[in-house]
Amino acid sequence: GENVEQHPSTLSVQEGDSAVIKCTYSDSASNYFPWYKQELGKRPQLIIDIRSNVGEKKDQRIAVTLNKTAKHFSLHITETQPEDSAVYFCAASRKAIRGSTLGRLYFGRGTQLTVWP
Amino acid sequence: GAGVSQSPRYKVTKRGQDVALRCDPISGHVSLYWYRQALGQGPEFLTYFNYEAQQDKSGLPNDRFSAERPEGSISTLTIQRTEQRDSAMYRCASSLGLGTGQVNNEQFFGPGTRLTVL
Repeated sequence: GENVEQHPSTLSVQEGDSAVIKCTYSDSASNYFPWYKQELGKRPQLIIDIRSNVGEKKDQRIAVTLNKTAKHFSLHITETQPEDSAVYFCAASRKAIRGSTLGRLYFGRGTQLTVWP
Repeated sequence: GAGVSQSPRYKVTKRGQDVALRCDPISGHVSLYWYRQALGQGPEFLTYFNYEAQQDKSGLPNDRFSAERPEGSISTLTIQRTEQRDSAMYRCASSLGLGTGQVNNEQFFGPGTRLTVL
């Protein structure tokens, strides 16, 4: 099955700096890569995702890049703010086809991001 | 519309007892997933439904775990003869699961049920 590795496990940055979290995956058939933010005691919240037919996607201060050849994808947060502090999870799945079993997500182990004011 | 809901939010039980955890997905969502999340870890897949059909149960740890979604909406995860190692946060997620060709797989998570087995 798929194996998703995530680095670093902890990341501390000063407010206003950028933060980058990197993930690698093993299954070349994976083509959907979401990122979740989980605040303490809360549920994981989808913040951005990318599909394999796209190399980069941006949403305000958040961007995700994908390199299918190297099987890695990254989350970039610019102009970080204290409220960005949370655990971030990357995940991967294969294309989910109606009636198929391929929709399960494989998660990385998470990155604890701390943004200091 | 309401998001994914789960009940109970907290469940404390004694070893050997059976527990049933409930998930109410977002209305209209075809796909429903169960995950287990240990403290400090990412969610780990357990099982998955499309409508009422259980598509994949390869993540269930052993035969004490079972799940059903009889009417294609609410789902129940049952753990029989609970053991201390079953203690964890159990999360449900749902996705639209519809589309032409590539299915929408954006998964939205519920608040989870924190299970503690004494």
